[in-house]
Order: sequence, then C-alpha cells, then structure tokens
Amino acid sequence: KAGVTQTPRYLIKTRGQQVTLSCSPISGHRSVSWYQQTPGQGLQFLFEYFSETQRNKGNFPGRFSGRQFSNSRSEMNVSTLELGDSALYLCASSRLTGTTEAFFGQGTRLTVV
Amino acid sequence: AQTVTQSQPEMSVQEAETVTLSCTYDTSESDYYLFWYKQPPSRQMILVIRQEAYKQQNATENRFSVNFQKAAKSFSLKISDSQLGDAAMYFCASKRDAGGTSYGKLTFGQGTILTVHP
Repeated sequence: KAGVTQTPRYLIKTRGQQVTLSCSPISGHRSVSWYQQTPGQGLQFLFEYFSETQRNKGNFPGRFSGRQFSNSRSEMNVSTLELGDSALYLCASSRLTGTTEAFFGQGTRLTVV
Repeated sequence: AQTVTQSQPEMSVQEAETVTLSCTYDTSESDYYLFWYKQPPSRQMILVIRQEAYKQQNATENRFSVNFQKAAKSFSLKISDSQLGDAAMYFCASKRDAGGTSYGKLTFGQGTILTVHP
C-alpha cells in the first residue's frame, strides 16, 4: 500500500512568487492535513480537508490556501511568498477525521530567496 | 486550546540502555488523544505510539512504552534497549477527540533530539 506522497520534494522560489504543493493521501483516506515546520516555530497546523471541505484552519494569513479534490488529493498554495515562508511543509492523511491516526508524507522543502 | 511542552531539547543514550523523554500538555477537553511521533533525518513523521485519554492503562508498542499521568497532564515516552535506528527527533502531540471543531488537528511539542551512542 503506497504511503502519502508529496510533490515536489524540494522547491526554490523567489520572493513575491506563488507556489503550489501537492499531496496524495493513502488510498481510502479522506482527511488531509497540512503542517508547516520551521526551526523557530516548530510544527504548526495549517488546515485540514475532509471530503473536499475545509474543516479547520490554523492561524496563518490568507496567502495560505488549499483545496481537496474528489479523489482526496490535496493542494496547498502560498501566494506572494515571503522569506519567512521557507519551511518544510508536511501533509498527513487519515482514513476519517478526528480520532484516527495521521500518516505523514516526507514533506516538501520550500526555500524562498 | 491545547498546548504541548517538551522541556528536553536534546537527550542521549547508550545503545541497549533505556531513555525517557518527557512531555506535558494542557487541555480543557475531557476526551483527547496523545501521540509520540519520530522524525528521522529522512523527515518523514512516523507514529511511535498513541494513548487514548480515557484509558488508564499505559500504551506499549514493543520497546516503546508511555507513562501517562492524566491528573498531572504528563505523557512520557520510555525507549528500552535503545538501538542506533532510534536516533531521531521525537515529537509529543495531542489531538482533541472527534466531535469538536478541532477534528484532525494535531498540536505538537517543540521536539526532543535523541542521540544514540554505540
């Protein structure tokens, strides 16, 4: 059974650009969550999608957005990139939402220059 | 809101020895879940062990066990017979039980880097 797949693995962007990251959950999983990991702030929750609906959102500016498709694949978008957006972005999927364990992908390392 | 605190930025252990990683949390919820995740250099977060707050019995997974003290809001991880492959960053995390608006949101601690010496 394939795990959570995140693409691309590495990305370098320039300030002001926008970026789209992709996450394919484990087959049969309907919940996808996104997290930002930085040395200073640690792991912070971005948002969660379940059945194409955003169920919860963390404390991030509106430049951060996401969506989920009917096949449960999810994308997150960051517009007008800032240097502080440089981070490891992790995606996690779970079969349902709430109590079930989350399985993580290997992340996308975004560097903004 | 939930908060999770790991007060040990770094820990080290000799191979085959036992080490305990500390975690405290704060929550106003009566139903919640606690987790320990491992993040090796590959960066992929791997679930080590989970604990349901309503269960008094401490969870165990092979060499990994927890000491869950609900009243003290403490959730420590004990690794027995440490192996070189255990070296990683360990994160303690909490999740509110279903039914609240937090849904699948995990709240993480700051992490503890574990070094295993041969």
